[in-house]
Amino acid sequence: GAVVSQHPSWVICKSGTSVKIECRSLDFQATTMFWYRQFPKQSLMLMATSNEGSKATYEQGVEKDKFLINHASLTLSTLTVTSAHPEDSSFYICSARAEGTTGELFFGEGSRLTVL
Amino acid sequence: GQQVMQIPQYQHVQEGEDFTTYCNSSTTLSNIQWYKQRPGGHPVFLIQLVKSGEVKKQKRLTFQFGEAKKNSSLHITATQTTDVGTYFCAGPLHSARQLTFGSGTQLTVLP
Repeated sequence: GAVVSQHPSWVICKSGTSVKIECRSLDFQATTMFWYRQFPKQSLMLMATSNEGSKATYEQGVEKDKFLINHASLTLSTLTVTSAHPEDSSFYICSARAEGTTGELFFGEGSRLTVL
Repeated sequence: GQQVMQIPQYQHVQEGEDFTTYCNSSTTLSNIQWYKQRPGGHPVFLIQLVKSGEVKKQKRLTFQFGEAKKNSSLHITATQTTDVGTYFCAGPLHSARQLTFGSGTQLTVLP
């Protein structure tokens, strides 16, 4: 099946620094990728939809200047958490689906961010 | 607001017992998907249901889509320890491209 790779798997950073998370579709092209955030024992909350070659679409309540999304190619989307604070600590997961389909979402392995 | 709810939130069963999780949407869905997330892992697609009243089976798992396409269920027969994880339903609540995930049911199987 299709593979989505996410890096890094976990990262610890100091408060005030920025962290970049990469999401790659390894064997298919994705003009659209989705970034989710998951708190412990909770559901996945959609943060934004990443669109190749154009601006990301952010969900209500998600600060676009805080969570910068870049989708520069058909196989790579990046999420940068800027000026991270402890409340940004969470599990961030990206996902994508094969181009032209509305079915199965393929998820990356997730990135666990801890901000000290 | 529009949302997708699941019950129960947690379920502990003895190995060999059956398990069911229920998913309810505040609005009609064009399709519903189910995902499983193992502890520490990422969600993995299980199945998609599209038709009203549809029933699909995968070995010990039975998935059902309600007649009104607003609810769904996942039933596991004779649970095994490998079934441990959180089961999420998800549907295109706001747009065809985006999936809204249910609140999830965390299944624990006691050996």
